[in-house]
Amino acid sequence: EVQLVQSGAEVKKPGESLRISCKGSGYTFTSYWINWVRQMPGKGLEWMGRIDPSDSYTNYSPSFRGRVTISVDKSISTAYLQWRSLEASDTAMYYCARHETIAARPVWFDPWGQGTLVTVSS
Amino acid sequence: DIQMTQSPSSLSASVGDRVTITCRASQGISNSLAWYQQKPGKVPKLLIYAASTLPSGVPSRFSGSGSGTDFTLTISSLQPEDVATYYCQKYDTAPWTFGQGTKVEIK
Repeated sequence: EVQLVQSGAEVKKPGESLRISCKGSGYTFTSYWINWVRQMPGKGLEWMGRIDPSDSYTNYSPSFRGRVTISVDKSISTAYLQWRSLEASDTAMYYCARHETIAARPVWFDPWGQGTLVTVSS
Repeated sequence: DIQMTQSPSSLSASVGDRVTITCRASQGISNSLAWYQQKPGKVPKLLIYAASTLPSGVPSRFSGSGSGTDFTLTISSLQPEDVATYYCQKYDTAPWTFGQGTKVEIK
């Protein structure tokens, strides 16, 4: 079974750093991009960026570029989303999602991880 | 960048009703459109891809149509378990933008 398992909920203070993880299993991890998606409380889905685990190449949404860093450790089939300095506005649920491919072309997201709730509060 | 606009933002319908949600792209995206269903407190789930194809296990009361800029998601007979927020997403090129969502409730 293809699965993405994310790290647990985090409570942090403004200014602190954080790295959350997403571990893939049941498939060849380096063959599919991993995306990160933000969902703020009561709001919709926002694509943040993606990484190609085979070469660590990344794309970021302009809204998130410079605010977060996406990385990967392919030796342990794990992707990461990292902040250097959290703000209260980073409070949200964060999902990772595998980027399905058709004839080597990236298409829809499936499956999704279970989500990691990040709460930033003083 | 291409924008994705859904309408309505929310709707309330009775069990058994036919429900239609619209998604419009600001530029043509061929049939590179997916729909996701997110039930309250749950993870988004792929519902439709390539504008009209249902993944295995998705009930046949769901259907999708459209190409280019205008797309629809239809629930032919609304069931209580269909209470959710539905999102469209373009996947022709980056950025892989979502619509703002349509919340479906039971009247």
